[in-house]
Amino acid sequence: DVKVTQSSRYLVKRTGEKVFLECVQDMDHENMFWYRQDPGLGLRLIYFSYDVKMKEKGDIPEGYSVSREKKERFSLILESASTNQTSMYLCASKSDRHFQETQYFGPGTRLLVL
Amino acid sequence: AQSVTQLDSQVPVFEEAPVELRCNYSSSVSVYLFWYVQYPNQGLQLLLKYLSGSTLVKGINGFEAEFNKSQTSFHLRKPSVHISDTAEYFCAVSDPDQAGTALIFGKGTTLSVSS
Repeated sequence: DVKVTQSSRYLVKRTGEKVFLECVQDMDHENMFWYRQDPGLGLRLIYFSYDVKMKEKGDIPEGYSVSREKKERFSLILESASTNQTSMYLCASKSDRHFQETQYFGPGTRLLVL
Repeated sequence: AQSVTQLDSQVPVFEEAPVELRCNYSSSVSVYLFWYVQYPNQGLQLLLKYLSGSTLVKGINGFEAEFNKSQTSFHLRKPSVHISDTAEYFCAVSDPDQAGTALIFGKGTTLSVSS
């Protein structure tokens, strides 16, 4: 079974703190994604990565950065957390193999910024 | 750009009743289509997907969906729901011509099953 793990289920941070959210997948997937989930808005893409050290902005990248130094790990960084970044953050991974289109999701990290 | 519309934000039903959750997407070009389910305090789990072939797709937990290209729809159905089906359901699309791209999600439909 594919497994996508996220470093924390719940996090509480203060405004202005630097926050790291870690995601690890064990299926050697090329592609990894960070989404943000808010009530009534569904999931919105923050960043994705299609290879080590490669990244692409999604729909809402402002206030975030990412790092992918190893194939299995994709980190989301909030450089200076703000209250409007309080949300659920979901990581996903996907293979590049033809017709392997399923994205596999981690359990999510619920972040509260005070 | 692609977009996904889930026509109902909340769907309340009684146990053992049939249910349909509606999903429309914006483009008539080739797409891949997905339904995901999210149980409380969990990540998303794939219910079913349409990549090609038969337009009627069967998934887990007794769900099925029908791809209708002319109506750009991919509605999710279950003939008889259980209390345990209470969850949030997301419809999503991706572009088959762009490998590695992210999914575009609808805003979700909350299915509430009561006895």
